[in-house]
Amino acid sequence: QVQLVESGGGLVKPGGSLRLSCAASGFSFSDHYMSWFRQAPGKGLEWLSYISSSGDSLSYADSVKGRFTISRDNAKNSLYLQMNSLRAEDTAIYYCAVRYDSGSLDDYWGQGTLVTVSS
Amino acid sequence: AIRMTQSPSSLSASTGDRVTITCRASQDVSRYLAWFHQKPGKAPQLLVYAASTLQSGVPSRFSGSGSGTDFTLTISGLQSEDFATYYCQQYYSYPYTFGQGTKLEIK
Repeated sequence: QVQLVESGGGLVKPGGSLRLSCAASGFSFSDHYMSWFRQAPGKGLEWLSYISSSGDSLSYADSVKGRFTISRDNAKNSLYLQMNSLRAEDTAIYYCAVRYDSGSLDDYWGQGTLVTVSS
Repeated sequence: AIRMTQSPSSLSASTGDRVTITCRASQDVSRYLAWFHQKPGKAPQLLVYAASTLQSGVPSRFSGSGSGTDFTLTISGLQSEDFATYYCQQYYSYPYTFGQGTKLEIK
């Protein structure tokens, strides 16, 4: 079955950096767009970024553009989010997700990894 | 960005009740509208896509309707496992955007 497992979260000081990873299994990773979302404590959901199957098409939310970089390694079935210049408002649970049309719309999320930005 | 407005933001109901949540888009999203539910400490789960198509395994007590800018999610005959937070999401264009959520609580 499809599994997405995020890692790399933790406590970081404002202005610091962190790299999140998402290990994918149970589907053909290299065939599908992947996305990152986040959810601040007690708040709603926010789409952050997507990357195309080959990695040549990227998009970012305005809130993270210029600070976050999405990438993937299809040989390792892994998705990444490099987060630089972190701010207190970046504190959130970060989820990786995949959505594809297999006749029905399949949509899978990882369990999330918590990023806390605090001095 | 397309703004999604959900109402109500919270709702108290009893098991067996019928409840309706509405979602309005700031511009036409055709039928590219999904509904999720989320339980505390868990990732969101897709319930409905294309405005009215139930995801595989979702009980038939859930139904979605609408197109363009106005959408609804109805749960007929609430079960205990339905008490959660519900979000709508437009996937007509990036950035994909969500409503602010509707917390469905037990009365």
